[in-house]
Amino acid sequence: DAGVIQSPRHEVTEMGQEVTLRCKPISGHDYLFWYRQTMMRGLELLIYFNNNVPIDDSGMPEDRFSAKMPNASFSTLKIQPSEPRDSAVYFCASTDAGGGVREQYFGPGTRLTVT
Amino acid sequence: AQTVTQSQPEMSVQEAETVTLSCTYDTSESDYYLFWYKQPPSRQMILVIRQEAYKQQNATENRFSVNFQKAAKSFSLKISDSQLGDAAMYFCAYTGANSKLTFGKGITLSVRP
Repeated sequence: DAGVIQSPRHEVTEMGQEVTLRCKPISGHDYLFWYRQTMMRGLELLIYFNNNVPIDDSGMPEDRFSAKMPNASFSTLKIQPSEPRDSAVYFCASTDAGGGVREQYFGPGTRLTVT
Repeated sequence: AQTVTQSQPEMSVQEAETVTLSCTYDTSESDYYLFWYKQPPSRQMILVIRQEAYKQQNATENRFSVNFQKAAKSFSLKISDSQLGDAAMYFCAYTGANSKLTFGKGITLSVRP
């Protein structure tokens, strides 16, 4: 398997623009997680899905953030409108908890810079 | 709520020597898993080692081993024969019934040649 795939790897955008980050989890995994990493706050869980259904979005910072998982092989994290404080590395991760696998496998991350 | 604490922000080790990274956690669950993840400058999060709470035997993966003290809620990582490629940020992490990962703040390990 190719592992968790994220795109784009780097995104530079201006404040106020819409940003969409994409993730393809490992085939067969039933959980998908979105994280944000910054120097100040470390790794934060934003939202996670189980079988394409959002389970916990309490980490989503505000209404400007939204996430969807229309099918088992694709998820998006959208920021609209973006702000400079959204600059961070965003990771997607997946796991097969239903199959007894507990470790999460991470994608390479998307480095977002909002100017 | 579960918490994971890594109190040392930085450590340094001489190449070929052994270093131990500390981690403590707090939980009321009896069934859980603990992990160490490595994050090199490439930013990729790489799983180093995992430990199931119900197993008394400490996990080992080549040069990496853990000292799991369940009663003390302690989970340290020992790296033997340190190599330059071990230089990275290391995160201790916990997962329980809800499958969410709780991370510590991480520790930056540098390896001196």
